[in-house]
Amino acid sequence: TQLLEQSPQFLSIQEGENLTVYCNSSSVFSSLQWYRQEPGEGPVLLVTVVTGGEVKKLKRLTFQFGDARKDSSLHITAAQPGDTGLYLCAGARAGGTSYGKLTFGQGTILTVHP
Amino acid sequence: NAGVMQNPRHLVRRRGQEARLRCSPMKGHSHVYWYRQLPEEGLKFMVYLQKENIIDESGMPKERFSAEFPKEGPSILRIQQVVRGDSAAYFCASSPPAGGLTDTQYFGPGTRLTVL
Repeated sequence: TQLLEQSPQFLSIQEGENLTVYCNSSSVFSSLQWYRQEPGEGPVLLVTVVTGGEVKKLKRLTFQFGDARKDSSLHITAAQPGDTGLYLCAGARAGGTSYGKLTFGQGTILTVHP
Repeated sequence: NAGVMQNPRHLVRRRGQEARLRCSPMKGHSHVYWYRQLPEEGLKFMVYLQKENIIDESGMPKERFSAEFPKEGPSILRIQQVVRGDSAAYFCASSPPAGGLTDTQYFGPGTRLTVL
């Protein structure tokens, strides 16, 4: 069983602060996806990282895939109240019996106070 | 994720009834996945289907649950004789045919099932 450990589970910060969310596993993933989920809605894809060491930027969000493709991080610079939500990492493996299924982390509930 | 359609958005059933959840994938997508999100828990994989084929159902409960993705029409997740423990949000996701970034899955808005 592949497990994705996501931390922290809860994060409450003030507007303007920086934050990092971590996603760690002992398993290697072919790709890792980050989603954001609003209450009552489905997860919305933010980014997919596929190459070890890859860094992708989406405005104030920076995503990194570990060199060994076992871990990933999401860094938000100068957080805003609009960033509030549930952030999920999900790993995918290509090939074998795990092909096609995403393994999700437990999620990080981020609250940004004005 | 606006391209993946799920209906109904909310479904209320009494114990023992059947629940049918529908999912239409994004245009051009031929892979469909179902996930369940229980209260206070993360998303858990249930089943992976391609047209007329179940590829991986390792996450499906052995009894009462079934899924299909017919040649024509939406994918259906069917729960027979529902129990209170089936109350959850059920999400469908789709991805393009092999050859693209096959690992990227796009989610629908979900169906919230409540069993009374």
